[in-house]
Amino acid sequence: DAGVTQSPTHLIKTRGQQVTLRCSPKSGHDTVSWYQQALGQGPQFIFQYYEEEERQRGNFPDRFSGHQFPNYSSELNVNALLLGDSALYLCASSLDSGINNEQFFGPGTRLTVL
Amino acid sequence: RKEVEQDPGPFNVPEGATVAFNCTYSNSASQSFFWYRQDCRKEPKLLMSVYSSGNEDGRFTAQLNRASQYISLLIRDSKLSDSATYLCVVNMLSGGFKTIFGAGTRLFVKA
Repeated sequence: DAGVTQSPTHLIKTRGQQVTLRCSPKSGHDTVSWYQQALGQGPQFIFQYYEEEERQRGNFPDRFSGHQFPNYSSELNVNALLLGDSALYLCASSLDSGINNEQFFGPGTRLTVL
Repeated sequence: RKEVEQDPGPFNVPEGATVAFNCTYSNSASQSFFWYRQDCRKEPKLLMSVYSSGNEDGRFTAQLNRASQYISLLIRDSKLSDSATYLCVVNMLSGGFKTIFGAGTRLFVKA
């Protein structure tokens, strides 16, 4: 039973560029959440997708957008990259979008913006 | 004030010791609670959910105190492999569903 997978594992971009990160949820899960984790900090919630729609959003600008596909996989897009976007981007999946859901994380994509 | 606060540590304890972490949350609309552990440069892994009645899983015990708005994690008989960062997670309904992570508490267990 495959867990949550993410691609790529590492990425280096320059300021102003755009990036797309991908996530496949754990088998049987239908909800995907994205987090940004800066060094020494806890993960910060970006948004959550359920039934192909953005259900909730954290305090991130519109440069951060996403998508969920019918097979529940998801993408995170970041436009006009800033140096401060350098972080570990984590995808988490859960069985539903309820408040008691237990989330399972993928290994993350480490993004470096130069 | 942060919505979820943890003592960053580090906690340095010998093998076999008992260690406890607390996590406070500011929003009384918080409804579900979890502890995750995160190893260096790895993803967070769910350690346990925290129920109102408290729960235990082997050497780990989690408790919730809604009146004082904190959750705790107790680790008994610490092992070297327990060395990690422990993240407190709170789900709340506040202008929508929100998941808030604490910044984590670092634990080092030494031989």
